[in-house]
Amino acid sequence: KAGVTQTPRYLIKTRGQQVTLSCSPISGHRSVSWYQQTPGQGLQFLFEYFSETQRNKGNFPGRFSGRQFSNSRSEMNVSTLELGDSALYLCASSPYPRAGELFFGEGSRLTVL
Amino acid sequence: KQEVTQIPAALSVPEGENLVLNCSFTDSAIYNLQWFRQDPGKGLTSLLLIQSSQREQTSGRLNASLDKSSGRSTLYIAASQPGDSATYLCAVSGAGSYQLTFGKGTKLSVIP
Repeated sequence: KAGVTQTPRYLIKTRGQQVTLSCSPISGHRSVSWYQQTPGQGLQFLFEYFSETQRNKGNFPGRFSGRQFSNSRSEMNVSTLELGDSALYLCASSPYPRAGELFFGEGSRLTVL
Repeated sequence: KQEVTQIPAALSVPEGENLVLNCSFTDSAIYNLQWFRQDPGKGLTSLLLIQSSQREQTSGRLNASLDKSSGRSTLYIAASQPGDSATYLCAVSGAGSYQLTFGKGTKLSVIP
């Protein structure tokens, strides 16, 4: 059974650009959540989607957005990139919200220059 | 606001030693607690999940305990091996929200 797949794995952008990251959950999993990991702040919750609806959002500016498609795949977008957006962005999936165990992908490492 | 603390931030032990990693949280109204492992530059691997009604979970050489009333969890690793070297993260899910709140992790080095 394939795990959570995130693409791209690495990317470099410049300030002011925008970026879109993709996450394909484990087959049969319908809940997808996103986290940002930085050395200073650690892992912070961005948002969670279930059945194409955002169920919860963390304390991030509106430049961070996301969506989920009918096949449960999810994308997150960051607009007007800032240097501080450099981070590892991790996606996690579970069969449904509150299912218990979360399964994480390898992450997308974003560097903003 | 839930806060999760992990002590120590780093730990170095000789191979074969038994060790305990600590995790504390400020709000005892949790839904579950999960321990993860993260290797450098990689994603998170789930190790153990403890529901709020449980006291402990075991998997192989790993044992995690939960004391909700005191806001503490421990991860016990028996007979440590160099392959156990990684950062171990504790995360709690609140009773009223879906999101996980993570600690900053304990970086474990097992010396051969």
